[in-house]
Amino acid sequence: DVKVTQSSRYLVKRTGEKVFLECVQDMDHENMFWYRQDPGLGLRLIYFSYDVKMKEKGDIPEGYSVSREKKERFSLILESASTNQTSMYLCASSTLGQANWPQHFGDGTRLSIL
Amino acid sequence: EDKVVQSPLSLVVHEGDTVTLNCSYEVTNFRSLLWYKQEKKAPTFLFMLTSSGIEKKSGRLSSILDKKELFSILNITATQTGDSAVYLCAPRRGGADGLTFGKGTHLIIQP
Repeated sequence: DVKVTQSSRYLVKRTGEKVFLECVQDMDHENMFWYRQDPGLGLRLIYFSYDVKMKEKGDIPEGYSVSREKKERFSLILESASTNQTSMYLCASSTLGQANWPQHFGDGTRLSIL
Repeated sequence: EDKVVQSPLSLVVHEGDTVTLNCSYEVTNFRSLLWYKQEKKAPTFLFMLTSSGIEKKSGRLSSILDKKELFSILNITATQTGDSAVYLCAPRRGGADGLTFGKGTHLIIQP
C-alpha cells in the first residue's frame, strides 16, 4: 500500500515566520504535489514536482516555494507566513503513466498562522 | 481557465436511498476524471474514468463519464451511514501536473 506521510497533523505558527511542511512517500513515485484545502474553495494545487530538483507552479503558488532534493521527499515552504495561509495542506504522490495514475494523499497538515 | 462544477453541494438522505452526484468540467487537454471520497482526513481514491460510456463499479458505487457532454456521475445505491463524506471530482489534464478539483458534494446519510 502506498504511504504518504506528512510530518505534522497540526501546526501553529506566527505571522512572518518561515514555515516548512514536509512530505515523504515510500513508493518511489516520480510525481509529488502540494494542495491546500479551504471551505468553499475545495482543493487547489500550489506546486508540483515530476522529478528530483524539478518543480512547477500550480494554480496558487504565490507566497510559497518548494524543495525536492530527494525523490521521496517534497517540502513546502512558506517564506513569510501570513494569516491568509491558515489552511489544511495536503501532499500527494503518483507514478507516471495513465494506467496507474491515481494520486495518493497524505493525512494533511492543519496549519494555523496567528 | 479550467472549471469543475459539482452538484449538489450538499445532500441529506436516509439509509437505503440511492444518490446520484454530478460533475461537469471544462479542462484543457483532458485525459481522465477521478472521483475521491474524503471523510476526516486524506481523500481516498474511488474511480478513474478515461473512456466515455463505460461504467466502473465497486460494490454499491458506480460511475460513468460522458466526454462529449463533459460530465460524470457517481451513483451510490442502498446508502449506509458510512457513505457520509465529501465526494470530490477531479479531471486530470495532460502532462504531469496536478488535478483540478471541484468543491465537492457533502453527502450525509441519516439512519
